[in-house]
Amino acid sequence: GAGVSQSPSNKVTEKGKDVELRCDPISGHTALYWYRQSLGQGLEFLIYFQGNSAPDKSGLPSDRFSAERTGGSVSTLTIQRTQQEDSAVYLCASSPFRDYGYTFGSGTRLTVV
Amino acid sequence: RKEVEQDPGPFNVPEGATVAFNCTYSNSASQSFFWYRQDCRKEPKLLMSVYSSGNEDGRFTAQLNRASQYISLLIRDSKLSDSATYLCVVNIGGGPSGSARQLTFGSGTQLTVLP
Repeated sequence: GAGVSQSPSNKVTEKGKDVELRCDPISGHTALYWYRQSLGQGLEFLIYFQGNSAPDKSGLPSDRFSAERTGGSVSTLTIQRTQQEDSAVYLCASSPFRDYGYTFGSGTRLTVV
Repeated sequence: RKEVEQDPGPFNVPEGATVAFNCTYSNSASQSFFWYRQDCRKEPKLLMSVYSSGNEDGRFTAQLNRASQYISLLIRDSKLSDSATYLCVVNIGGGPSGSARQLTFGSGTQLTVLP
């Protein structure tokens, strides 16, 4: 597509439920990143995928968080047993392999109540 | 110490003013540097890359000082539409598999240009 697409744009969930967030990167971009941004805070790196290489999961805050990328394209970020501190905007970005400039999606605003 | 530090502001300046933002980074191995812009409740967007020799894009000038681990952004003749949060961004690169490509973002400097 023309840009990075994320869905849903907003998600309200009850504490303890699992949620799945989806990212569809720009066609041909081999690198895909997930970040989150809490209200009034900077961006926090979560996970990075590059082609068929093992993902860099060093930013995932706990084992409740996982992500996968199927066929080198669409990625899903899963948060199990959500907690209130998981409330944030989850941003996905993609880039070509040799280009560090990211294109971000518009994000998923997650609210855990 | 944070990896990327910025003055959070806010900077409130009149239209037409010149304003400068500064940023310091802690890792001397950092290789790539950027300024991103983020409008309220929107996603960050790449404003410009920062090169060692300094670079200019219209009213915007970016400078890098590797010795001092310092990056700056200068906006001349500021416009109302420049109001946003400006994010200083650094990439360390390298890593055991050459795959440490994630960008590290500063918390941003908020700019409001007043009519």
